[in-house]
Amino acid sequence: SYGLTQPPSVSVSPGQTARITCSGEALSDQYAYWYQQKPGQAPVVVIYRDSERPSGIPERFSGSSSGTTVTLTISGVQAEDEADYYCQSSDSSGTYWVFGGRTKLTVL
Amino acid sequence: QITLKESGPTLVKPTQTLTLTCTFSGFSLSTSGVGVGWIRQPPGKALEWLALIYWDDDKRYRPSLKSRLTITKDSSKNQVVLTMTNMDPVDTATYYCAHRLGGLRGVISRGFDYWGQGTLVTVSS
Repeated sequence: SYGLTQPPSVSVSPGQTARITCSGEALSDQYAYWYQQKPGQAPVVVIYRDSERPSGIPERFSGSSSGTTVTLTISGVQAEDEADYYCQSSDSSGTYWVFGGRTKLTVL
Repeated sequence: QITLKESGPTLVKPTQTLTLTCTFSGFSLSTSGVGVGWIRQPPGKALEWLALIYWDDDKRYRPSLKSRLTITKDSSKNQVVLTMTNMDPVDTATYYCAHRLGGLRGVISRGFDYWGQGTLVTVSS
């Protein structure tokens, strides 16, 4: 069945820019969503519909889409951004949903 | 204020059926465009979407688990119930329910935008 591919880990120093990619065949047709999950907590949406930011999410979080790849960008990374990040989308017909395999962001 | 909370057994035996209830407040599953989904997370692993039910009783399932899953709603009680048959130790996970808008033209989905705290279910004899 359909799946989304993310890098297992990304490491950056504080103040740098972190980019997390997510690839999937249907991403050119379906929106992507990004979630942040900290240990012991439920996930939180940080980006919806490829590039929209929910209220309360810092401006340093942004999203973009190009073809079958979407990217979550965190500009000026802070220590508090260290977490697991997941992309989420649906199959090409919008019938079911899938999550990517998780990217662990480490702030050095 | 939207809240969701999962409830159910913390321990089930292999081959048994798991029944989880999501009790929510702050929205109605009778409202057009509203849905509630279930997502699980095995210890130390990634999120897995399982099922979702919309206000109009449209039901969606993870293809690989479709034969084992049933999702139902009781809008009057503000509850969504997920059953999973033939439980196996690999089904050990934290199970979350979450709110989602969609399923209706013109409704903007913000993803799974509200989540419960999750409930850990262990499958062991």
